[in-house]
Amino acid sequence: DAMVIQNPRYQVTQFGKPVTLSCSQTLNHNVMYWYQQKSSQAPKLLFHYYDKDFNNEADTPDNFQSRRPNTSFCFLDIRSPGLGDAAMYLCATSGDRGPAGELFFGEGSRLTVL
Amino acid sequence: GEDVEQSLFLSVREGDSSVINCTYTDSSSTYLYWYKQEPGAGLQLLTYIFSNMDMKQDQRLTVLLNKKDKHLSLRIADTQTGDSAIYFCAESIQKGGKLIFGQGTELSVKP
Repeated sequence: DAMVIQNPRYQVTQFGKPVTLSCSQTLNHNVMYWYQQKSSQAPKLLFHYYDKDFNNEADTPDNFQSRRPNTSFCFLDIRSPGLGDAAMYLCATSGDRGPAGELFFGEGSRLTVL
Repeated sequence: GEDVEQSLFLSVREGDSSVINCTYTDSSSTYLYWYKQEPGAGLQLLTYIFSNMDMKQDQRLTVLLNKKDKHLSLRIADTQTGDSAIYFCAESIQKGGKLIFGQGTELSVKP
């Protein structure tokens, strides 16, 4: 059974039209992450939540926002998508109980910007 | 600064061993990981090693860590076509902390 679920799997939007990607988890993990992965590049951390504490990476553009209304859900909002924001967006979770801080990933949401 | 580098492609024949290499720059890395990504899927943890270890073996997988050279490798014995995927090396300086990923090595296994 999928433990980290991302919706939608594929999202097409127009240049400048806001988009929201969602992530839900059944693991009751306290940490949730959003990564951006462009073709043939390393996944790049955008931000993460430790419980309700939001941690933004220094180089994450202001165009990217996130919300975590409860433990199970986390959203990625892209306010004005540009062509350069086309990518796979990966949600991941981790908990304190694992021996090595393993990250559990969803299958990703692929964003296309026209 | 933090940087993780991998070669982009590796091609092997079924039954051979595969060795995927990774170098990292952050000497304070405490945990080093190998993740696997199959087409259309998310990343899945394969194995990990603590920085105070030199080697870890898990069935067909062997991880070697050379901390002096900041070099990590993943050896897959008896590589199968089902092993074809992208393999990501990642480092973290603390348990549960953010992971820094390499750009991934695409492993192609030919019958």
